[in-house]
Amino acid sequence: GAVVSQHPSWVICKSGTSVKIECRSLDFQATTMFWYRQFPKQSLMLMATSNEGSKATYEQGVEKDKFLINHASLTLSTLTVTSAHPEDSSFYICSRQGAYGELFFGEGSRLTVL
Amino acid sequence: RKEVEQDPGPFNVPEGATVAFNCTYSNSASQSFFWYRQDCRKEPKLLMSVYSSGNEDGRFTAQLNRASQYISLLIRDSKLSDSATYLCVVGLDNYGQNFVFGPGTRLSVLP
Repeated sequence: GAVVSQHPSWVICKSGTSVKIECRSLDFQATTMFWYRQFPKQSLMLMATSNEGSKATYEQGVEKDKFLINHASLTLSTLTVTSAHPEDSSFYICSRQGAYGELFFGEGSRLTVL
Repeated sequence: RKEVEQDPGPFNVPEGATVAFNCTYSNSASQSFFWYRQDCRKEPKLLMSVYSSGNEDGRFTAQLNRASQYISLLIRDSKLSDSATYLCVVGLDNYGQNFVFGPGTRLSVLP
């Protein structure tokens, strides 16, 4: 069964609003989780590494004030897209690592900003 | 040169065919290698980890060639359900933030 759960699966919002996406590790505690963005016909691009109890580490070019990450517990990381604009429309996916280094992904959240 | 490159695809093959995917990586220090499949509008799912000695799981065989810096995935007796995009993932180390995803190769298995 799934080891990472992501919610919501899809969301449509108006430009200028904020959207929160939740990512839960279901089978064990995760001190680190990862957030990706995937545009159509492109591969996954790492946006940031979410660290439990401390600040997230953002990849170059990702605005930390726009993509707020909170990892307040060992099983939950959230990504908030603030003041969303149409260009933020994308497929957002979270993941955590397994015991052998492999990545397990959440179901993904498809964001459409009107 | 991109860090991880894959066959551009798409591959369209009949059921029962054998299909091979290739992936090359630029960083010779890379340590972790995986194949994932991603169905349309879904998340990637782990297909196989790739070990130095090569490994097989049913109809799927993965191989690693460190000298030439490439990994391969072979699918035998392809099924309609194998239709998906196959992603090559390479890690500089075992830390997820240092994993790089290939662009993927799309496979369509035709009846």
